[in-house]
Order: sequence, then structure tokens, then C-alpha cells
Amino acid sequence: GQNIDQPTEMTATEGAIVQINCTYQTSGFNGLFWYQQHAGEAPTFLSYNVLDGLEEKGRFSSFLSRSKGYSYLLLKELQMKDSASYLCAVSDSNYQLIWGAGTKLIIKP
Amino acid sequence: ETGVTQTPRHLVMGMTNKKSLKCEQHLGHNAMYWYKQSAKKPLELMFVYNFKEQTENNSVPSRFSPECPNSSHLFLHLHTLQPEDSALYLCASSQRVSGGASEQYFGPGTRLTVT
Repeated sequence: GQNIDQPTEMTATEGAIVQINCTYQTSGFNGLFWYQQHAGEAPTFLSYNVLDGLEEKGRFSSFLSRSKGYSYLLLKELQMKDSASYLCAVSDSNYQLIWGAGTKLIIKP
Repeated sequence: ETGVTQTPRHLVMGMTNKKSLKCEQHLGHNAMYWYKQSAKKPLELMFVYNFKEQTENNSVPSRFSPECPNSSHLFLHLHTLQPEDSALYLCASSQRVSGGASEQYFGPGTRLTVT
């Protein structure tokens, strides 16, 4: 079967760094997406990785290791507005997105 | 209007009612999707339309009926729903390209409550 695993909830302090992990087992791989979803709002795209390595975009970075079926999203200089759920999704052999259940990130002052 | 819009934002319906959810994308994309999002569960893909043709139907009960009259509009017709169908229904669109994955853009969703 296809499976995406990520922690249910994480807590971090304003100004700190947090790493959200995602492991996957899918039928085929055509890239991995990270989305941010604030409560009551639509998911919004953060990053896309298809090759191994680190992609940096401002305070957010995403890493992929295809051999390990592993990715992480790194958030630096955390701000209160970063409190949200972070969704990991893998594009499978049919280019359909397989989604994780999301990680709820709580930022404390 | 920009992006992906959905109406209504909230809907309460009885199990014997018939209602429809509407989605419109203003991005010129060629694919549209319906997802169901329940608390603490992964997004569940319900239907996919590619160039107005339905390409996926992930074993969705027949009480959910999609309609895609053109590449910009998508409807989800609901009838005789069950309380467990209460969830957030999200519409998304993307520009599908041959041989590559594409980012999906989501609407704000319809919060559906079945009583």
C-alpha cells in the first residue's frame, strides 16, 4: 500500500528552528510537495523536491532523500504566524498526490 | 476573482436534502480535483477531471456526483448524505503537463455538516 508518515503535532518557540519530518512508501515517485494550511483556510504550496538535496526558499527549506524515502521541512526564525498544519504529499506513478495527515505546528512566545 | 473560489463556504443539510457545491478556477488550468478533508486524516482524493474528462473516481459513494461543464467550473452534487460525510470539501486545480508533477492550487473549501 501507499503510506505517508509525519508527526501529528510539534511545538516550538518563536525565533527558533524546527524540522518536520516525512517518510513515504509509494508506488512510484514523481516528486514531493510541502503545503502549509492555517486553521480554516486552504492549503498553500511551500515547496517541491524531485531530486535529492536541499531546496532553500527564504526561511523555509526542504530536503529530500529518495533512497531513504525521506523528506524534511526546515523552518528558521520561527514567527507566530507559522503556527499552522504542514502537509507532506508525494506524486505517485500516476502523478496523483498521496497525502500525509499533516503536522500541526504550535509556536509559543 | 483570482485563484480558486468555492461556494458556499458553509453548508448544513439534512440526510434527505439535495445540494450542490460549486468551484471555479481563474488560473487557466486544465485539471480540477475534489478532495475530502476530515480531522486528523489525510486529504482524500475523490474525483479528478483532466481537460473536462473524469479520469479518477476513488471508490466514492454514488451519493456524491461530480459535474465538470468546462475546464473552469466544477460541481459536486450531494444527495441522501450520511453524518459521516460531514467534512471540509476542498476543490483544487493544476496545470497538468506530460511527464511531470504539478502544484495544485486550492480553494478555501466548503465546511459541510450533515444532520
